[in-house]
Amino acid sequence: DAGVIQSPRHEVTEMGQEVTLRCKPISGHDYLFWYRQTMMRGLELLIYFNNNVPIDDSGMPEDRFSAKMPNASFSTLKIQPSEPRDSAVYFCASSWTSGRADTQYFGPGTRLTVL
Amino acid sequence: GDSVTQMEGPVTLSEEAFLTINCTYTATGYPSLFWYVQYPGEGLQLLLKATKADDKGSNKGFEATYRKETTSFHLEKGSVQVSDSAVYFCALSDRGGSQGNLIFGKGTKLSVKP
Repeated sequence: DAGVIQSPRHEVTEMGQEVTLRCKPISGHDYLFWYRQTMMRGLELLIYFNNNVPIDDSGMPEDRFSAKMPNASFSTLKIQPSEPRDSAVYFCASSWTSGRADTQYFGPGTRLTVL
Repeated sequence: GDSVTQMEGPVTLSEEAFLTINCTYTATGYPSLFWYVQYPGEGLQLLLKATKADDKGSNKGFEATYRKETTSFHLEKGSVQVSDSAVYFCALSDRGGSQGNLIFGKGTKLSVKP
């Protein structure tokens, strides 16, 4: 299995630009999660999907952030316009419903730097 | 709401030393408990898990026992190696049977010196 795939691995952009992060979950997984990790705030859940439907987006910082999952094998997290405080590592994770103790499988992350 | 508290780091140990990383939780239901590990430059990966009280999760020499009476899930290893240097996250999942998000602690950085 290829695992969760994220692209790009690194992104450097200037303030005000649009940024799109991409994620391909593990085939057969029906949950997809987007997290953000910073030194100050640790690991934060931004949004998660079940069967391509957003279930909880209460962690999305503000309207500049949006996430979509057009099909079971692809999701995007978009920031428009980007700001320096958005600099972080963004992780995508997926899991498969088989009970209460499902394991989430994380991708390698996208390191975003907004100048 | 549900929460996880784990010991502050960083923790620095010599090779072959005994490791304990404390983790306590607050939850209204009956959570499943996890330890995830993050090696430098990588995403998190599951280290071990336990789904009910008194369960012991174990993997790669690491162990943790689900203690409901003390609401704890401390991570232990008898003899650490340099390759164990990483950040360790305690987490819980409590959705009463349906999948939900994991609630993570802030992570504890472990450095093992040769």
